[in-house]
Amino acid sequence: GENVEQHPSTLSVQEGDSAVIKCTYSDSASNYFPWYKQELGKRPQLIIDIRSNVGEKKDQRIAVTLNKTAKHFSLHITETQPEDSAVYFCAAGYTGGFKTIFGAGTRLFVKA
Amino acid sequence: DVKVTQSSRYLVKRTGEKVFLECVQDMDHENMFWYRQDPGLGLRLIYFSYDVKMKEKGDIPEGYSVSREKKERFSLILESASTNQTSMYLCASSPTMAGGAGELFFGEGSRLTVL
Repeated sequence: GENVEQHPSTLSVQEGDSAVIKCTYSDSASNYFPWYKQELGKRPQLIIDIRSNVGEKKDQRIAVTLNKTAKHFSLHITETQPEDSAVYFCAAGYTGGFKTIFGAGTRLFVKA
Repeated sequence: DVKVTQSSRYLVKRTGEKVFLECVQDMDHENMFWYRQDPGLGLRLIYFSYDVKMKEKGDIPEGYSVSREKKERFSLILESASTNQTSMYLCASSPTMAGGAGELFFGEGSRLTVL
């Protein structure tokens, strides 16, 4: 069935450094790749997304890249700040319906 | 702002009890979802619905059922709660997008403990 793998499970960086989280997906019919951020005790919220007709998308310090051939997509956060500390989830949406499948999450720690 | 409201933030139930988790959204979204969140496992899809009275199984539907009698309301039912259903339950809604899936708007979550 559909599957999304996410790495690493935990990532610790120094404030100001970059952070990269990588995901792979199994279903080639996937066409929507969102990233959600979940702060401690709060609901997940969308921070950026990309559709399969686009290879890269950037929003200020956050960027996402997509390689459809390899079924890989990645989240890049530059100039990390302590408020970036959270759990980040990648996900894949499927054209066969409306469901979204999530990766296991990456806990990002940004040390001041 | 989209609002997804889950009626209970914290519940404690006993094994074998019937449990209802209610979710209401106010943005007229067609699609609603129930996920379960466990540490190290991410968000796993239990059931989803793309229309009133329609439901589809997700990846882990065993032990759960759902009801969608009105567009704005999606209920998750545990017919006979078991300890392995202790978890955080997240409801979400999304609009229908051309080509399939779109942004999910989540509720605050319902933390269920089954003793």
